[in-house]
Amino acid sequence: GDSVTQMEGPVTLSEEAFLTINCTYTATGYPSLFWYVQYPGEGLQLLLKATKADDKGSNKGFEATYRKETTSFHLEKGSVQVSDSAVYFCALSGYNKLIFGAGTRLAVHP
Amino acid sequence: DTAVSQTPKYLVTQMGNDKSIKCEQNLGHDTMYWYKQDSKKFLKIMFSYNNKELIINETVPNRFSPKSPDKAHLNLHINSLELGDSAVYFCASSPTGSDSGNTIYFGEGSWLTVV
Repeated sequence: GDSVTQMEGPVTLSEEAFLTINCTYTATGYPSLFWYVQYPGEGLQLLLKATKADDKGSNKGFEATYRKETTSFHLEKGSVQVSDSAVYFCALSGYNKLIFGAGTRLAVHP
Repeated sequence: DTAVSQTPKYLVTQMGNDKSIKCEQNLGHDTMYWYKQDSKKFLKIMFSYNNKELIINETVPNRFSPKSPDKAHLNLHINSLELGDSAVYFCASSPTGSDSGNTIYFGEGSWLTVV
């Protein structure tokens, strides 16, 4: 079945460091891909999405490109802030549901 | 206005009790969902409804019974609560099914603790 694999965390970075969180997927067909973020004690918020191959989603300085050839959707940010500390979830669209990766916790220190 | 709202946000209850979590969305969406997030943060679909009809029941025990009185509401009732039911339950909605690339919007979660 369809699945999403994310790099294990936690990822610990200093402020202004470059961030990459790897995400790869297995799917039949051509799903849409998403990154959601969960701040401590809060619900899930959509961070960005891409609906077809080679699309780039971007929001709040975060970017991810839908790579069909490598079945990947890696999340990147050039300069992280303390306020980016959260759990990040990669997800793909299945039949009437989202299939999530296990989540990657990011901790950014001043 | 909160787009997807669920109540209560926190719930502590004893084993064996029956409890309900209510969810409402004011986005005009046709599809609503319940997701469960376990202690390791893993998120898994429980139910999906489209226009009040059950679309997905993802091998959830019969003690969990969703009810959708109209397409803006999807409530979750849990009978005979067990320790393993302790989790965060997220309600969500989308314009149609997510397989068309539509964004799913999540509520803030209901933190259920069974003691």
